[in-house]
Amino acid sequence: GDSVTQMEGPVTLSEEAFLTINCTYTATGYPSLFWYVQYPGEGLQLLLKATKADDKGSNKGFEATYRKETTSFHLEKGSVQVSDSAVYFCALSDSNSGYALNFGKGTSLLVTP
Amino acid sequence: IAGITQAPTSQILAAGRRMTLRCTQDMRHNAMYWYRQDLGLGLRLIHYSNTAGTTGKGEVPDGYSVSRANTDDFPLTLASAVPSQTSVYFCASSDGAGARRNEQFFGPGTRLTVL
Repeated sequence: GDSVTQMEGPVTLSEEAFLTINCTYTATGYPSLFWYVQYPGEGLQLLLKATKADDKGSNKGFEATYRKETTSFHLEKGSVQVSDSAVYFCALSDSNSGYALNFGKGTSLLVTP
Repeated sequence: IAGITQAPTSQILAAGRRMTLRCTQDMRHNAMYWYRQDLGLGLRLIHYSNTAGTTGKGEVPDGYSVSRANTDDFPLTLASAVPSQTSVYFCASSDGAGARRNEQFFGPGTRLTVL
């Protein structure tokens, strides 16, 4: 079945460092791809999305490009802030379950001053 | 606009007891979902509903049941709780139509501990 694999954390970076969180997927069709963020003690929020190959999603300085040839959707940010400390989840839509989201296991990011 | 609300915020429950987690959305979304979040496992789909009156099983449905009597509410019931159901439960909804159908909005979660 469809699945998502993302790099394991935790990831610790200094403020203003460059961030990459790798995400690859396996899917039989052409799913939409998402990055969600979960701040401590909160629910998940949509960070960005891409619905077809070569689309680039972007929000709050984060970017990810839907790469069909490498089945990847890596999350990047050029300069992280302490406020970016959170858990990041890569996900794809699954048309077999009412378009529910199939999540990776999450990557915890800690940004230190 | 409240979005999605869940109740209770947290609960400690004795094994064998029955428990219903409530979820209500005011966005008139057609589709609703229940996930559980466990450390190291991410979020896993329990049940979903594409529209009022219909439900479907997700990846981990055993021990849980749902109903969808109307558009707004999607309760999750544990008929006889077991310790392995200790988790954080998230309800989500989506428009269910067109290009926005995949974008889901999440509630704040219910932290459930089964002893």
